[in-house]
Amino acid sequence: EAGVAQSPRYKIIEKRQSVAFWCNPISGHATLYWYQQILGQGPKLLIQFQNNGVVDDSQLPKDRFSAERLKGVDSTLKIQPAKLEDSAVYLCASSLGGTGSQPQHFGDGTRLSIL
Amino acid sequence: QKEVEQDPGPLSVPEGAIVSLNCTYSNSAFQYFMWYRQYSRKGPELLMYTYSSGNKEDGRFTAQVDKSSKYISLFIRDSQPSDSATYLCAMKGGSSASKIIFGSGTRLSIRP
Repeated sequence: EAGVAQSPRYKIIEKRQSVAFWCNPISGHATLYWYQQILGQGPKLLIQFQNNGVVDDSQLPKDRFSAERLKGVDSTLKIQPAKLEDSAVYLCASSLGGTGSQPQHFGDGTRLSIL
Repeated sequence: QKEVEQDPGPLSVPEGAIVSLNCTYSNSAFQYFMWYRQYSRKGPELLMYTYSSGNKEDGRFTAQVDKSSKYISLFIRDSQPSDSATYLCAMKGGSSASKIIFGSGTRLSIRP
């Protein structure tokens, strides 16, 4: 079974520029998550999709971050404009369902550096 | 106070030792408890997944949950250098609306 795929693996941009990340979840997984992991911290949920609908985006900084999952499979996360504090690893995860009984499986993330 | 507290380490032990990793939490609504292993520049990998209180064993790994004390543990027996990684505890409430809350991770190093 192929895992969660993410690209790019690394991205370096200057502050105020824009950037986009892509995620392809495990086949058949209805729920997709984007997390932000700052160095030395655990992942923090930014947004959760169930198929192509948003379940939870309470911790997404909506003035600069946006995400979509148009066909209920792939997803993109965008930051515009980027700030220095956005330097982090952006992780995508997927699960069969959104309940606690379904574990989440993570991709290897995109490491973002803001200069 | 954070919802989930985890000692960041680093923790260094000799090969073959028993390792004990712990987390405390404050939210009594948590029902699902997880341990993830994260190697450098990789995503978290699910190791153990338990529901409510009790013990669960999988090979060299044992997870314990004590809901009365709001305390969870991961034990690694016969530790190997390949176990060197950051270990993240995580927990979640029972409803579909609840999100996973992660600890900050404990960095573990196994000395050959």
